[in-house]
Amino acid sequence: KAGVTQTPRYLIKTRGQQVTLSCSPISGHRSVSWYQQTPGQGLQFLFEYFSETQRNKGNFPGRFSGRQFSNSRSEMNVSTLELGDSALYLCASSEGGGETQYFGPGTRLLVL
Amino acid sequence: DAKTTQPTSMDCAEGRAANLPCNHSTISGNEYVYWYRQIHSQGPQYIIHGLKNNETNEMASLIITEDRKSSTLILPHATLRDTAVYYCIGATQGGSEKLVFGKGMKLTVNP
Repeated sequence: KAGVTQTPRYLIKTRGQQVTLSCSPISGHRSVSWYQQTPGQGLQFLFEYFSETQRNKGNFPGRFSGRQFSNSRSEMNVSTLELGDSALYLCASSEGGGETQYFGPGTRLLVL
Repeated sequence: DAKTTQPTSMDCAEGRAANLPCNHSTISGNEYVYWYRQIHSQGPQYIIHGLKNNETNEMASLIITEDRKSSTLILPHATLRDTAVYYCIGATQGGSEKLVFGKGMKLTVNP
């Protein structure tokens, strides 16, 4: 099976803009989780979607949002970008019943 | 989720076994121990997980103590490509979609 794919791989934005990142899970996986990784805070859980519904949410401001489509593909959106949003954004998929998560390569976002 | 403690870093010689320790200070009976690794700037890679029995797969072996307070990940023949940050994570099976990553441990395999 193909692994988790994320697009784009690299992105440069300026403060105040918004950005949308995309994640395609492993075929048959229904859960998609998103994480943010920064040098200062490490890997932090953003949110998880299962069957088009947000099932879990981390401690991030409302500027961070996501959605999941009927084919399990997911997008996350960050509005009003801040310099501190520069990070590696990772998505992971699992079958959805608490099984192992498999991560994609990530999208590296730089906010100038 | 359980809080885990790992050394900050460890070195290993290429070809030798790498034994990576992890203490689970508050692990409960239904929490699995997951191991992931992250090679620089890539997404974390799943290695192995277990509940109380020792586990082995094509990548590694996982030894969990009887009291489940600690575990050891064993890479039997470390190669330079095993240089990475290794994360030991405790998670319930129903909560494994929101993994709580600590700082992990940097393993450096030296030639």
